Amino acid sequence: NAGVTQTPKFQVLKTGQSMTLQCAQDMNHEYMSWYRQDPGMGLRLIHYSVGAGITDQGEVPNGYNVSRSTTEDFPLRLLSAAPSQTSVYFCASSYDSFYGYTFGSGTRLTVV
Amino acid sequence: QKEVEQDPGPLSVPEGAIVSLNCTYSNSAFQYFMWYRQYSRKGPELLMYTYSSGNKEDGRFTAQVDKSSKYISLFIRDSQPSDSATYLCAMSGGLTGTASKLTFGTGTRLQVTL
Repeated sequence: NAGVTQTPKFQVLKTGQSMTLQCAQDMNHEYMSWYRQDPGMGLRLIHYSVGAGITDQGEVPNGYNVSRSTTEDFPLRLLSAAPSQTSVYFCASSYDSFYGYTFGSGTRLTVV
Repeated sequence: QKEVEQDPGPLSVPEGAIVSLNCTYSNSAFQYFMWYRQYSRKGPELLMYTYSSGNKEDGRFTAQVDKSSKYISLFIRDSQPSDSATYLCAMSGGLTGTASKLTFGTGTRLQVTL
């Protein structure tokens, strides 16, 4: 099993550009989430999904969109990148959300 | 005020020491408590999870939850240089919807020296 795979690992965007961060898991997990990690702020939840076709907002959803058309994939879309979205983004998945998540290795995004 | 407070450290201990890492929280709805370890430039890795109050042991690691004080701890016995990492506490509510939403502490950086 590859676990949770995130692509790309690094990305530099110009302000106003859009892009999609990819996340795929091969563990047949129903629960998937996106977090951003910033110094001094810890990990903050952006969006999450409890199954294909079902998504909801987390703590910091503004400027991001998600969809979940399959169990395996949970892409995160940045609509119009801003310097405030410079961060490390982590995707995570869980078989049963009560017992913890498996995280991907992250995408380091810089918006200039 | 943040829902989950965690001392950022850094915490430096000699090899073999017992390490105590702690978090306090304010939301009484939290029922599930987790500890993650994160090495530099890597994703968090789940170490332990506990439900409600009590202790849980796994090898050199012991997690404690005191819901009456809203305080959780992770103890590492016989610490090793390979334990040097950032330790993140995380917690969630007891209902299916709220359990999907983890709230993290900011992490404590631990350095175990030879």
